[in-house]
Amino acid sequence: GQQLNQSPQSMFIQEGEDVSMNCTSSSIFNTWLWYKQDPGEGPVLLIALYKAGELTSNGRLTAQFGITRKDSFLNISASIPSDVGIYFCAGRDQGAQKLVFGQGTRLTINP
Amino acid sequence: SQTIHQWPATLVQPVGSPLSLECTVEGTSNPNLYWYRQAAGRGLQLLFYSVGIGQISSEVPQNLSASRPQDRQFILSSKKLLLSDSGFYLCAWRGGASYEQYFGPGTRLTVT
Repeated sequence: GQQLNQSPQSMFIQEGEDVSMNCTSSSIFNTWLWYKQDPGEGPVLLIALYKAGELTSNGRLTAQFGITRKDSFLNISASIPSDVGIYFCAGRDQGAQKLVFGQGTRLTINP
Repeated sequence: SQTIHQWPATLVQPVGSPLSLECTVEGTSNPNLYWYRQAAGRGLQLLFYSVGIGQISSEVPQNLSASRPQDRQFILSSKKLLLSDSGFYLCAWRGGASYEQYFGPGTRLTVT
């Protein structure tokens, strides 16, 4: 079955630093989504990508749909304490009713 | 706007007891509905999804079951809980042509 490899698994950074994380797939996806989950809460959708090469921003967050359609990237600029949490990528192939999720990147920020 | 509810928020149940978790969505019609489980510090495991009333697809064979008695209601059940059923249960919905899924607040289940 399809698998998503999300990296890094965890990040420890200083406040103000930029963050980069990525997901790679063993197969082609038509949709890439990025979520953030705070402790004890449900994941919240950050950015949705539908087209290869697409670059989309949401405030300090920028995500890209890879040209090969097998990867996606999320960047966070000038991190702040509220960026702490777990970030998940999710992908969908054509015709699928369900998403495939990565294992998450846990972001910790030192003030 | 659309809203998704889950209850209860937390639940502590003994091994062998039954389970019923409920998820409801407001502000949309004919949504696709999903149940996920998340172990502590882990990723999301899809358990069931439904594209319509009475239509359930099971992703992982186990002692859980799901039902969709109404358009915007999705129920997760078990006849006899196992210790391994402990976890954070999340319901999600998506609507129309969008493939974006929106999650509820979750139910923390502890089986003792």
